[in-house]
Amino acid sequence: QVQLQESGPGLVKPSQTLSLTCTVSGGSISSGSYYWSWIRQPAGKGLEWIGRIYTSGSTNYNPSLKSRVTISVDTSKNQFSLKLSSVTAADTAVYYCARESAQQLALDYWGQGTLVTVSS
Amino acid sequence: QSALTQPASVSGSPGQSITISCTGTSSDVGGYNYVSWYQQHPGKVPKVMIYEVSNRPSGVSNRFSGSKSGNTASLTISGLQAEDEADYYCSSYTSSSTPVVFGGGTKLTVL
Repeated sequence: QVQLQESGPGLVKPSQTLSLTCTVSGGSISSGSYYWSWIRQPAGKGLEWIGRIYTSGSTNYNPSLKSRVTISVDTSKNQFSLKLSSVTAADTAVYYCARESAQQLALDYWGQGTLVTVSS
Repeated sequence: QSALTQPASVSGSPGQSITISCTGTSSDVGGYNYVSWYQQHPGKVPKVMIYEVSNRPSGVSNRFSGSKSGNTASLTISGLQAEDEADYYCSSYTSSSTPVVFGGGTKLTVL
């Protein structure tokens, strides 16, 4: 059973960089055909897709965030990471990592989510 | 503004059937059979209920079904139960500048 777990600071100051890591267990992040994704959800609002990284290392980003987002993978640690620069209060949200099957294009496994608050 | 349009809320009584719509364009819902539906209870993690328009993952009740007509996908829940009360989000592959888009979400209330 694949499991994903987000980790990182719960509080980030405005203009700084938000950094989160997702640790994958129960399977190798480099095997199979999967996208490893980040999604966020502001309190009381809907889901927003941030971006993803494929097993090969190729990435896709939400155009509205593309200039500030970097997603990377560390296969040796079975982890993938999110960096979001120049954050503002609007970036306050629960951040989820998830696995997307490249065949079905559905997010089949999700982390528990981590709340990141942007505040001074 | 979300790329896919869903009604903000729907409601139904126990035992009834409800349908949630998800309207996109020919660049997403209408052009590909990669529509997914997610259920999210308050404070919980989203769970995939339907993928590839109409396929149910193992363990998902057959009361949940999906379909598509033109640029609109639909999620139908039959035999409504109290536990179905949740937010539902559709998602689709898209050939536009971003490969994944979500709908704005629909709050289902079981009366």
